[in-house]
Amino acid sequence: SYDLTQPPSVSVSPGQTASITCFGDKLGDTFTCWYQQKPGQSPVVVIYENDKRPSGIPARFAASISGNTATLTISETQALDEADYYCQAWDSSTIIFGGGTKLTVL
Amino acid sequence: QLQLRESGPGLVKPSETLSLTCTVSGGSLDTTNYFWVWVRQPPRKGLEWIGTIFYTGATYFNPSLRSRVAMSIDLSNNRFSLSLNSVTAADTAFYYCARLGIPAAGTDEALDVWGQGTLVTVSS
Repeated sequence: SYDLTQPPSVSVSPGQTASITCFGDKLGDTFTCWYQQKPGQSPVVVIYENDKRPSGIPARFAASISGNTATLTISETQALDEADYYCQAWDSSTIIFGGGTKLTVL
Repeated sequence: QLQLRESGPGLVKPSETLSLTCTVSGGSLDTTNYFWVWVRQPPRKGLEWIGTIFYTGATYFNPSLRSRVAMSIDLSNNRFSLSLNSVTAADTAFYYCARLGIPAAGTDEALDVWGQGTLVTVSS
């Protein structure tokens, strides 16, 4: 399998746009998902199949893929968006997670 | 509404076997539409996929854990299980079970339902 690389931390001011990247050699070969995890809670999927939002996830959450890099974008970031974010992809039948990015809303 | 709940010992001794069960309510494991997954997370660290099981019993494991992992599924009791042998302190983690959709079956390819997680500590 291969690695998914995320920045350990990203900071954003309230109301601004946060971007979290995920790099992997084979990204784009399979779907990418993004998960949000708040302290003491289980992960929640915020983006699936590269760019789709589950019901209940605000439209402020969006994602895209360009080449080997997937990007999660959170517009009009709010304090409640402060969390760890993980990208996830597949390599054959194996599931791969990125190392996670801590989003801080300053 | 589908719910998953992990259960099992919270403390396991080094070299012994960690055994956990995920009980599903509000839906059936006996379906072609989903896989069932175990994920773990050491305290203050990232997520790690352990393995995946289908209702047929077919399994897929993380290559780094394959030699120590087993998974089984009990359709009659709507639960699936994880076994990890020869544990060390490095296996101390929150263990989550989750549901994985299958696009070919018309479900979303995502881990869309998670259990609350259970902390397993490996210590003597």
